[in-house]
Amino acid sequence: QQQVKQSPQSLIVQKGGIPIINCAYENTAFDYFPWYQQFPGKGPALLIAIRPDVSEKKEGRFTISFNKSAKQFSLHIMDSQPGDSATYFCAARSGTGNQFYFGTGTSLTVIP
Amino acid sequence: NAGVTQTPKFRILKIGQSMTLQCTQDMNHNYMYWYRQDPGMGLKLIYYSVGAGITDKGEVPNGYNVSRSTTEDFPLRLELAAPSQTSVYFCASSYGNSYEQYFGPGTRLTVT
Repeated sequence: QQQVKQSPQSLIVQKGGIPIINCAYENTAFDYFPWYQQFPGKGPALLIAIRPDVSEKKEGRFTISFNKSAKQFSLHIMDSQPGDSATYFCAARSGTGNQFYFGTGTSLTVIP
Repeated sequence: NAGVTQTPKFRILKIGQSMTLQCTQDMNHNYMYWYRQDPGMGLKLIYYSVGAGITDKGEVPNGYNVSRSTTEDFPLRLELAAPSQTSVYFCASSYGNSYEQYFGPGTRLTVT
């Protein structure tokens, strides 16, 4: 059973476009929602994270939007660049802080 | 500061063989994790540890064992390897129960 559902599986955008990746969850005990970026052959690296009592968080060109009532959150990448081409994972942390549940990943390609 | 290191990078096992995947971190993190990553499935937590001498099961622990005798090391043991254990394995660590995990570069394991 997938605790965090992520879509789309893959995404292709032109340079400068705004790709949006969506995630949904059911467990209201989750207390943090990080996003990770992974390049081929590398381990995931933290991009940005949000708490459920915050509706939006921006860090540079990356923005998380969070809808607590709908139990959904999304990642927006402003002015996307070819260097942003990677796989993106959303995740959720259990309320005890000991376990993380990851989405299935979105492969993003930014065309020059 | 090497961060999280994993050895080996690649390994091919025959069915029924055993092996240990090594993970070491030099950031004095008390939390450590083992994940497996399968195509289209995201990352699944196998085992985690909140400190030396303390380990607990994650989502998919069957077929694996761990130990944590020091803060730095968290080896993952596969007994009686099966084709279903073909995957990429990532070790991660975090300070306290921070939402930020630091991932190693991964070990690609094939069981044939």
